Amino acid sequence: QKEVEQDPGPLSVPEGAIVSLNCTYSNSAFQYFMWYRQYSRKGPELLMYTYSSGNKEDGRFTAQVDKSSKYISLFIRDSQPSDSATYLCAMILTGANSKLTFGKGITLSVRP
Amino acid sequence: DAMVIQNPRYQVTQFGKPVTLSCSQTLNHNVMYWYQQKSSQAPKLLFHYYDKDFNNEADTPDNFQSRRPNTSFCFLDIRSPGLGDAAMYLCATSPGGTSGINEQFFGPGTRLTVL
Repeated sequence: QKEVEQDPGPLSVPEGAIVSLNCTYSNSAFQYFMWYRQYSRKGPELLMYTYSSGNKEDGRFTAQVDKSSKYISLFIRDSQPSDSATYLCAMILTGANSKLTFGKGITLSVRP
Repeated sequence: DAMVIQNPRYQVTQFGKPVTLSCSQTLNHNVMYWYQQKSSQAPKLLFHYYDKDFNNEADTPDNFQSRRPNTSFCFLDIRSPGLGDAAMYLCATSPGGTSGINEQFFGPGTRLTVL
């Protein structure tokens, strides 16, 4: 079993749709849960992160973590064509030498 | 703007011909990382430097080497590229530290093609 599993894609939605992206993980020691966004031909950039369980909202984006189920989600409301990108979930223990463990990523296309 | 810069953006090499990829940063971060990302796969950490301390991942092939001559620069050397080494190579930096997310900042990547 991989440490982080991400729902396979690609995903295509119409503009204005609500998007739900999900990951599961196996290592209960992970403390920080992140979502990276990667546009075509660019490096990943941190979109949001959450510490431990709970929800975090930033504009149209909501990150949700359920540590009891080892399940994280990213919701995008009122999706826009500019949201079209690959979204990677990532997790980290903590500390200077902690490594990011990434999911495979899901490519989202928002149709105008 | 502070950033992570990778050169070249696209690199074509021949099977077995050594190649060097370059990364520089203006963030003055302590930690620099090299990742390999193949199509539709998660970025795979090859190694990282915490200052001058080199940390190799156990499954990184010997074919891959790295150098960090100073804080700002880090190089990835592929001694004898094979067809399976064709990928996007991402450089990232982070401040380092003993707590928190130690956010990693990524460069745009170098896409390596092996003929």
